Amino acid sequence: QKEVEQDPGPLSVPEGAIVSLNCTYSNSAFQYFMWYRQYSRKGPELLMYTYSSGNKEDGRFTAQVDKSSKYISLFIRDSQPSDSATYLCALSNYQLIWGAGTKLIIKP
Amino acid sequence: SQTIHQWPATLVQPVGSPLSLECTVEGTSNPNLYWYRQAAGRGLQLLFYSVGIGQISSEVPQNLSASRPQDRQFILSSKKLLLSDSGFYLCAWSVMLRPGSYEQYFGPGTRLTVT
Repeated sequence: QKEVEQDPGPLSVPEGAIVSLNCTYSNSAFQYFMWYRQYSRKGPELLMYTYSSGNKEDGRFTAQVDKSSKYISLFIRDSQPSDSATYLCALSNYQLIWGAGTKLIIKP
Repeated sequence: SQTIHQWPATLVQPVGSPLSLECTVEGTSNPNLYWYRQAAGRGLQLLFYSVGIGQISSEVPQNLSASRPQDRQFILSSKKLLLSDSGFYLCAWSVMLRPGSYEQYFGPGTRLTVT
């Protein structure tokens, strides 16, 4: 079993929809949970991170961690075509463990 | 502010040729540095990381090597490229959030095609 599981997609939704991206993990020792966005042919950029359980909001983006279920989510409200990218989760505990990334397509 | 540079941006090399990719970081000292490879449509594979000059840890045994000749310089090399070395190579540096937890910042990447 992989330490982090993430559906590679692609996930295609219409503009304005609420998007939900998710990762599951197996190691309960992870403390920091991060989401990166990667545009085609670019390096990943850190969107936001959450420490332990709970929610964190930044504009249209909300990161949610449920440590009891070992499940993390990234929600995007009012999705825009410019949100089309690959979203990678990364979990930190002495090293970063990466999900495979979910390709998101927002259709105008 | 910190900046990370990688070059070249793209590279096409024949099988059996050598490789040298360079990464430099500005605006920080003694960073942890990383080399990743990302195959098309795949996640990030950690290749090497370094906690200081001359200190290199290899995560995956393969046809590649890394060196850190200066505090903010990280080099990825190969003596003879294989077709399987094709991919998107990313350099990153990290910031410690708390002991044992880090966030990473990435360079623009080098797209390598071995023909």
